[in-house]
Amino acid sequence: DAGVTQSPTHLIKTRGQQVTLRCSPKSGHDTVSWYQQALGQGPQFIFQYYEEEERQRGNFPDRFSGHQFPNYSSELNVNALLLGDSALYLCASSSTPQSSNYNGYTFGSGTRLTVV
Amino acid sequence: GNSVTQMEGPVTLSEEAFLTINCTYTATGYPSLFWYVQYPGEGLQLLLKATKADDKGSNKGFEATYRKETTSFHLEKGSVQVSDSAVYFCALNTGGFKTIFGAGTRLFVKA
Repeated sequence: DAGVTQSPTHLIKTRGQQVTLRCSPKSGHDTVSWYQQALGQGPQFIFQYYEEEERQRGNFPDRFSGHQFPNYSSELNVNALLLGDSALYLCASSSTPQSSNYNGYTFGSGTRLTVV
Repeated sequence: GNSVTQMEGPVTLSEEAFLTINCTYTATGYPSLFWYVQYPGEGLQLLLKATKADDKGSNKGFEATYRKETTSFHLEKGSVQVSDSAVYFCALNTGGFKTIFGAGTRLFVKA
């Protein structure tokens, strides 16, 4: 059973460019959350998608946007990249946290984004 | 707001030593509490969880007890191995959409 799959694994972009990161959730999961993890820090919540809609957003600017598709896969888009956007971007899938069978996140291995 | 505070690392232990990583939280309501582990170059993996006061989560020799009176969820293991070297994250979810993570504690285990 495949877990959470993220692509690409590594990416180097130039300031001002745009980037799209992709995530396929674990089979049976319908909720996708995106986190940013700076070096040596804990993951910071960007947003969560369920039923193709953004349900909650963390303290990230509008340059960060996302999408969820009918098959539950998701994309994270970042526009006008800044040097400070360099981080590991983690996708986490789960059942919806409000459900009785919520059992925490399954994380992908992440996409390492470097902005130069 | 809701938050998680972990002891700062790194924690360096010899093999077979006893491990404690402290975690305290601030939350409204009654959160579920989690410990995740991150091995080098990988994403986070759920290690254990507890959903209500006095629950004990356990997995792979690790344990943590949900203490509402002290708002704590300390991680313990009786005898660590080199393979336990990783970064450990305490986290909470209050039944809302997002899970909040602590800053992580790096553990080094020497042979």
